[in-house]
Amino acid sequence: GENVEQHPSTLSVQEGDSAVIKCTYSDSASNYFPWYKQELGKGPQLIIDIRSNVGEKKDQRIAVTLNKTAKHFSLHITETQPEDSAVYFCAAGNSGSARQLTFGSGTQLTVLP
Amino acid sequence: EAGVAQSPRYKIIEKRQSVAFWCNPISGHATLYWYQQILGQGPKLLIQFQNNGVVDDSQLPKDRFSAERLKGVDSTLKIQPAKLEDSAVYLCASSAGTGGLDTQYFGPGTRLTVL
Repeated sequence: GENVEQHPSTLSVQEGDSAVIKCTYSDSASNYFPWYKQELGKGPQLIIDIRSNVGEKKDQRIAVTLNKTAKHFSLHITETQPEDSAVYFCAAGNSGSARQLTFGSGTQLTVLP
Repeated sequence: EAGVAQSPRYKIIEKRQSVAFWCNPISGHATLYWYQQILGQGPKLLIQFQNNGVVDDSQLPKDRFSAERLKGVDSTLKIQPAKLEDSAVYLCASSAGTGGLDTQYFGPGTRLTVL
Protein backbone atom coordinates (compact mmCIF):
# COMPACT_ATOMS: atom_id res chain seq x y z
CA GLY A 1 0.00 0.00 0.00
CA GLU A 2 0.83 3.68 -0.01
CA ASN A 3 3.41 5.08 2.41
CA VAL A 4 3.74 8.82 3.05
CA GLU A 5 6.71 10.31 4.86
CA GLN A 6 6.61 13.90 6.14
CA HIS A 7 9.42 16.18 7.28
CA PRO A 8 10.19 17.96 9.50
CA SER A 9 8.17 16.80 12.49
CA THR A 10 8.53 20.20 14.14
CA LEU A 11 9.23 23.60 12.61
CA SER A 12 9.63 26.99 14.29
CA VAL A 13 9.77 30.20 12.27
CA GLN A 14 9.68 33.89 13.02
CA GLU A 15 6.53 35.76 12.11
CA GLY A 16 6.79 36.98 8.54
CA ASP A 17 9.21 34.26 7.46
CA SER A 18 8.36 31.38 5.14
CA ALA A 19 7.75 27.76 6.16
CA VAL A 20 8.24 24.69 3.98
CA ILE A 21 7.02 21.18 4.75
CA LYS A 22 7.96 18.24 2.54
CA CYS A 23 6.35 14.87 1.87
CA THR A 24 7.30 11.85 -0.18
CA TYR A 25 5.00 9.07 -1.32
CA SER A 26 5.65 5.55 -2.53
CA ASP A 27 2.75 4.63 -4.83
CA SER A 28 3.20 6.03 -8.32
CA ALA A 29 -0.55 5.56 -8.89
CA SER A 30 -1.38 8.25 -6.32
CA ASN A 31 -2.87 11.27 -8.06
CA TYR A 32 -4.42 13.43 -5.32
CA PHE A 33 -2.42 15.28 -2.66
CA PRO A 34 -4.27 17.34 -0.05
CA TRP A 35 -2.84 19.28 2.87
CA TYR A 36 -4.72 19.58 6.15
CA LYS A 37 -4.30 21.94 9.11
CA GLN A 38 -5.26 20.65 12.54
CA GLU A 39 -5.62 22.98 15.48
CA LEU A 40 -5.68 21.72 19.04
CA GLY A 41 -8.91 19.91 19.85
CA LYS A 42 -10.26 20.16 16.32
CA GLY A 43 -10.48 17.92 13.31
CA PRO A 44 -8.20 18.40 10.29
CA GLN A 45 -9.26 21.11 7.87
CA LEU A 46 -8.33 21.10 4.19
CA ILE A 47 -6.20 24.10 3.27
CA ILE A 48 -5.09 23.25 -0.25
CA ASP A 49 -4.89 20.26 -2.56
CA ILE A 50 -3.27 19.38 -5.86
CA ARG A 51 -3.94 16.73 -8.44
CA SER A 52 -1.30 15.04 -10.52
CA ASN A 53 -2.13 16.90 -13.72
CA VAL A 54 -0.57 20.12 -12.37
CA GLY A 55 2.80 20.89 -10.88
CA GLU A 56 1.95 23.85 -8.68
CA LYS A 57 -1.07 25.49 -7.09
CA LYS A 58 -1.29 28.69 -5.10
CA ASP A 59 -3.91 30.22 -2.83
CA GLN A 60 -2.90 33.56 -1.31
CA ARG A 61 -0.03 32.82 1.12
CA ILE A 62 -0.16 29.05 0.61
CA ALA A 63 1.28 27.09 -2.29
CA VAL A 64 1.85 23.44 -3.04
CA THR A 65 4.31 21.95 -5.52
CA LEU A 66 4.32 18.43 -6.89
CA ASN A 67 7.16 16.48 -8.49
CA LYS A 68 5.66 13.26 -9.83
CA THR A 69 8.98 11.93 -11.09
CA ALA A 70 10.59 12.18 -7.67
CA LYS A 71 7.31 11.36 -5.90
CA HIS A 72 7.42 14.29 -3.55
CA PHE A 73 5.28 17.33 -2.84
CA SER A 74 5.72 20.34 -0.62
CA LEU A 75 3.68 22.96 1.22
CA HIS A 76 4.92 26.53 1.23
CA ILE A 77 3.52 29.17 3.56
CA THR A 78 4.77 32.71 3.05
CA GLU A 79 4.51 35.69 5.40
CA THR A 80 3.66 33.42 8.31
CA GLN A 81 1.41 34.68 11.09
CA PRO A 82 0.89 33.40 14.66
CA GLU A 83 -2.48 31.97 13.64
CA ASP A 84 -0.68 29.66 11.21
CA SER A 85 0.62 27.74 14.24
CA ALA A 86 -0.90 24.26 14.09
CA VAL A 87 -0.15 20.69 13.02
CA TYR A 88 -0.05 20.23 9.26
CA PHE A 89 -0.65 16.87 7.56
CA CYS A 90 0.03 15.88 4.00
CA ALA A 91 -1.84 13.00 2.40
CA ALA A 92 -1.79 11.02 -0.80
CA GLY A 93 -4.59 9.17 -2.52
CA ASN A 94 -5.61 7.37 -5.67
CA SER A 95 -8.91 8.06 -7.35
CA GLY A 96 -8.87 4.59 -8.84
CA SER A 97 -9.57 1.38 -6.98
CA ALA A 98 -8.14 2.41 -3.60
CA ARG A 99 -9.96 5.72 -3.24
CA GLN A 100 -8.55 6.31 0.20
CA LEU A 101 -6.11 8.79 1.69
CA THR A 102 -2.87 7.88 3.44
CA PHE A 103 -1.67 10.60 5.80
CA GLY A 104 1.82 11.66 6.79
CA SER A 105 2.81 11.84 10.44
CA GLY A 106 2.35 15.60 10.74
CA THR A 107 4.44 18.72 11.26
CA GLN A 108 3.98 20.94 14.30
CA LEU A 109 4.48 24.49 13.00
CA THR A 110 5.09 27.24 15.54
CA VAL A 111 5.18 30.84 14.38
CA LEU A 112 7.00 32.99 16.90
CA PRO A 113 5.81 36.60 17.25
CA GLU B 1 -23.91 24.77 6.16
CA ALA B 2 -23.50 22.65 9.28
CA GLY B 3 -20.32 20.64 9.55
CA VAL B 4 -19.72 17.04 10.56
CA ALA B 5 -21.05 16.40 14.06
CA GLN B 6 -19.62 13.85 16.46
CA SER B 7 -20.49 12.76 19.96
CA PRO B 8 -19.39 12.33 22.59
CA ARG B 9 -16.34 14.62 22.46
CA TYR B 10 -14.57 12.74 25.24
CA LYS B 11 -14.90 9.25 26.69
CA ILE B 12 -12.96 7.48 29.41
CA ILE B 13 -13.48 3.74 29.91
CA GLU B 14 -11.66 0.82 31.42
CA LYS B 15 -10.16 -1.93 29.29
CA ARG B 16 -12.55 -4.68 28.27
CA GLN B 17 -15.51 -2.27 28.39
CA SER B 18 -17.45 -1.33 25.29
CA VAL B 19 -17.92 2.12 23.78
CA ALA B 20 -19.81 3.65 20.87
CA PHE B 21 -19.26 6.82 18.88
CA TRP B 22 -21.79 8.63 16.75
CA CYS B 23 -21.32 10.70 13.59
CA ASN B 24 -23.70 12.87 11.60
CA PRO B 25 -22.13 13.85 8.25
CA ILE B 26 -22.75 16.98 6.23
CA SER B 27 -26.23 16.82 4.73
CA GLY B 28 -26.27 15.13 1.35
CA HIS B 29 -22.75 13.71 1.56
CA ALA B 30 -22.66 10.21 0.13
CA THR B 31 -19.35 9.03 1.54
CA LEU B 32 -18.50 8.70 5.22
CA TYR B 33 -15.16 7.78 6.76
CA TRP B 34 -14.00 6.76 10.23
CA TYR B 35 -10.35 7.41 11.10
CA GLN B 36 -8.25 6.57 14.14
CA GLN B 37 -5.67 9.18 15.11
CA ILE B 38 -3.15 8.07 17.73
CA LEU B 39 -1.32 10.89 19.52
CA GLY B 40 1.50 12.26 17.38
CA GLN B 41 0.40 10.45 14.23
CA GLY B 42 -1.69 11.16 11.17
CA PRO B 43 -5.23 9.82 10.82
CA LYS B 44 -5.52 6.19 9.75
CA LEU B 45 -8.60 5.06 7.84
CA LEU B 46 -10.66 2.42 9.62
CA ILE B 47 -13.70 2.16 7.38
CA GLN B 48 -15.28 3.95 4.43
CA PHE B 49 -18.98 3.91 3.56
CA GLN B 50 -20.60 4.97 0.32
CA ASN B 51 -24.24 5.63 1.10
CA ASN B 52 -24.98 2.67 3.41
CA GLY B 53 -22.54 0.20 1.85
CA VAL B 54 -18.97 -0.52 2.95
CA VAL B 55 -16.33 0.48 0.39
CA ASP B 56 -13.22 -0.35 2.41
CA ASP B 57 -12.83 -1.87 5.87
CA SER B 58 -9.45 -3.52 5.33
CA GLN B 59 -7.86 -1.72 8.30
CA LEU B 60 -10.74 -2.22 10.73
CA PRO B 61 -9.88 -4.70 13.53
CA LYS B 62 -13.03 -6.68 13.01
CA ASP B 63 -12.60 -8.84 16.09
CA ARG B 64 -13.39 -5.82 18.26
CA PHE B 65 -14.49 -2.93 16.05
CA SER B 66 -17.76 -2.65 14.18
CA ALA B 67 -19.46 0.16 12.30
CA GLU B 68 -22.73 0.76 10.58
CA ARG B 69 -24.37 3.50 8.59
CA LEU B 70 -28.09 3.14 8.69
CA LYS B 71 -30.17 4.70 5.90
CA GLY B 72 -26.98 6.14 4.42
CA VAL B 73 -26.85 9.06 6.85
CA ASP B 74 -25.67 8.76 10.48
CA SER B 75 -23.04 6.28 11.49
CA THR B 76 -21.89 4.58 14.68
CA LEU B 77 -18.52 3.04 15.45
CA LYS B 78 -18.32 0.52 18.28
CA ILE B 79 -15.42 -1.03 20.14
CA GLN B 80 -16.05 -4.16 22.17
CA PRO B 81 -14.01 -5.00 24.19
CA ALA B 82 -11.64 -2.03 24.35
CA LYS B 83 -7.88 -2.41 24.77
CA LEU B 84 -5.34 0.07 26.10
CA GLU B 85 -3.97 0.59 22.57
CA ASP B 86 -7.38 1.84 21.41
CA SER B 87 -6.73 5.14 23.19
CA ALA B 88 -6.88 7.68 20.37
CA VAL B 89 -9.02 10.33 18.74
CA TYR B 90 -11.69 8.87 16.47
CA LEU B 91 -12.45 11.18 13.58
CA CYS B 92 -15.43 11.05 11.29
CA ALA B 93 -15.28 12.68 7.87
CA SER B 94 -17.63 12.98 4.93
CA SER B 95 -17.37 13.86 1.26
CA ALA B 96 -19.96 14.72 -1.32
CA GLY B 97 -19.03 12.45 -4.20
CA THR B 98 -19.31 8.74 -4.80
CA GLY B 99 -16.32 8.33 -7.07
CA GLY B 100 -12.74 9.51 -7.13
CA LEU B 101 -11.34 11.51 -4.28
CA ASP B 102 -13.38 14.49 -3.17
CA THR B 103 -12.62 16.91 -0.39
CA GLN B 104 -13.09 15.25 2.98
CA TYR B 105 -14.59 17.35 5.76
CA PHE B 106 -13.69 16.26 9.27
CA GLY B 107 -15.63 16.45 12.49
CA PRO B 108 -14.01 17.51 15.80
CA GLY B 109 -13.38 13.91 16.85
CA THR B 110 -14.00 11.84 19.95
CA ARG B 111 -11.04 11.47 22.30
CA LEU B 112 -11.08 7.98 23.83
CA THR B 113 -8.99 7.11 26.85
CA VAL B 114 -8.82 3.44 27.85
CA LEU B 115 -7.52 2.85 31.39
